[in-house]
Amino acid sequence: EVQLLESGGGLVQPGGSLRLSCAASGLTFKNYAMSWVRQVPGKGLEWVSTITGGGGSTFDADSVKGRFTSSRDNSRDTLYLQMDNLRPEDTAVYFCSKGGWLRGFDFWGQGTLVTVSS
Amino acid sequence: DIEMKQSPATLSVSPGERATLSCRASQSVSSNLAWYQQRPGQAPRLLIYDASTRATGIPANFSGSGSGTEFTLTISSLQSEDFAVYYCQQYNNWPRTFGQGTKVEIK
Repeated sequence: EVQLLESGGGLVQPGGSLRLSCAASGLTFKNYAMSWVRQVPGKGLEWVSTITGGGGSTFDADSVKGRFTSSRDNSRDTLYLQMDNLRPEDTAVYFCSKGGWLRGFDFWGQGTLVTVSS
Repeated sequence: DIEMKQSPATLSVSPGERATLSCRASQSVSSNLAWYQQRPGQAPRLLIYDASTRATGIPANFSGSGSGTEFTLTISSLQSEDFAVYYCQQYNNWPRTFGQGTKVEIK
C-alpha cells in the first residue's frame, strides 16, 4: 500500500523559509514523478511543482517559480519542497502526491498546513 | 495556461439518483484529463484518468467520458459517501491546472 506522509508545515513570517518533507513507502520511489499540490482552506486545488523520478527535471507553477524548489532523495524515499521568500498568499495545505506526469496524481498524502503571517 | 471550467458549481441530488458533472478546457487536452473526489477533511482521491479509465479500486458507478475540450463525470447512483467536491484536472500541458470544483450535495 502506497503511503505518503508530509511533515514540516507550520507558522512562518512573510519573507521566511520552510522545508516540507514527504516520506514515501509502498512503492519503488525512484521510478515515479512526484508532485506538490496546495489548497487554501475552503478553496480549490493548485498544482505547485513536479519532479521527475530521477530528480533531473522539475516543473514549477509561475506563482512559486524562483522561490520554491522541489528535490528528492531516492536513497531515503523522500520528497522535499524548499520554500523561500514566503508570502501570505502561500498559506495553504500542501499535499505530496505521486505522479503528475501521466495519469494525474494517483496517491496523496494527508497534507501539511503552512501559514504565512506576521 | 489551460483554464478548466466546471459546471455546475453546486449540484443537489437525492441519494440513488444520477449525477452528471461537466468540465470544459479552454483548449484541447486530448484525453489527458483526470477526475478527483475530495471529502471534507480528506485529501483528494483519483477517480478517473485518461478521461475514462477508472483508477484502482474505484467502483463502476463512476464513469468518465469526453475528449478534446468537453468532459463529463457521471455517478450513476449516488451513495451517501459520494457527496463531496469533485475536481477535474488536465495533464496535457504545463502548468497542470484544476477546475474550480463541483460540490455534490444532498437534495
